[in-house]
Amino acid sequence: GDSVTQMEGPVTLSEEAFLTINCTYTATGYPSLFWYVQYPGEGLQLLLKATKADDKGSNKGFEATYRKETTSFHLEKGSVQVSDSAVYFCALSALQTDKLIFGTGTRLQVFP
Amino acid sequence: EAGVAQSPRYKIIEKRQSVAFWCNPISGHATLYWYQQILGQGPKLLIQFQNNGVVDDSQLPKDRFSAERLKGVDSTLKIQPAKLEDSAVYLCASSTLTGLWYFGPGTRLTVT
Repeated sequence: GDSVTQMEGPVTLSEEAFLTINCTYTATGYPSLFWYVQYPGEGLQLLLKATKADDKGSNKGFEATYRKETTSFHLEKGSVQVSDSAVYFCALSALQTDKLIFGTGTRLQVFP
Repeated sequence: EAGVAQSPRYKIIEKRQSVAFWCNPISGHATLYWYQQILGQGPKLLIQFQNNGVVDDSQLPKDRFSAERLKGVDSTLKIQPAKLEDSAVYLCASSTLTGLWYFGPGTRLTVT
């Protein structure tokens, strides 16, 4: 079945460091791909999305490119801030369905 | 626009007791979902409604969990009797026709 695999955390970085959180997926066809963020004590928020191969989703300095050839959707940010500390979830929605399937989440901790 | 509302935010019960959670989706969203998020894991879909009908409840432990959405708007999720392994955050989400999901703040359930 469809699934999402994320790198395990926590990822610990100093402020202004470069961030990469890896995400790969298994799905029939070409799903839509998402990154959600969950700040402490808050609900899930959509960070960015991409709906077809080579699309780049971006928001708040975060970017992810839909790579069909490697079935990946890695999240990147050039310079993280303390306020980016949160849990990040990669997710997919397969074609012809309207369900979100999540990875296990990656906790990011940014220190000043 | 108002977001997805859930109540209560927190609940502590003893095992074998019953509990109910309530969700009010964003106005006009026909599809409503309940997810279970166990600590350290990604959200797992329990049940999906389209208006007041069940689309997918394949992951719902039907011997103890039940859910309804009688008028196609708000929904309740019930657990009876609760087990220790039911301790989790229960997330409600609703979605648009264009494939965007909006999540509520969740209900954190602790079963002792």
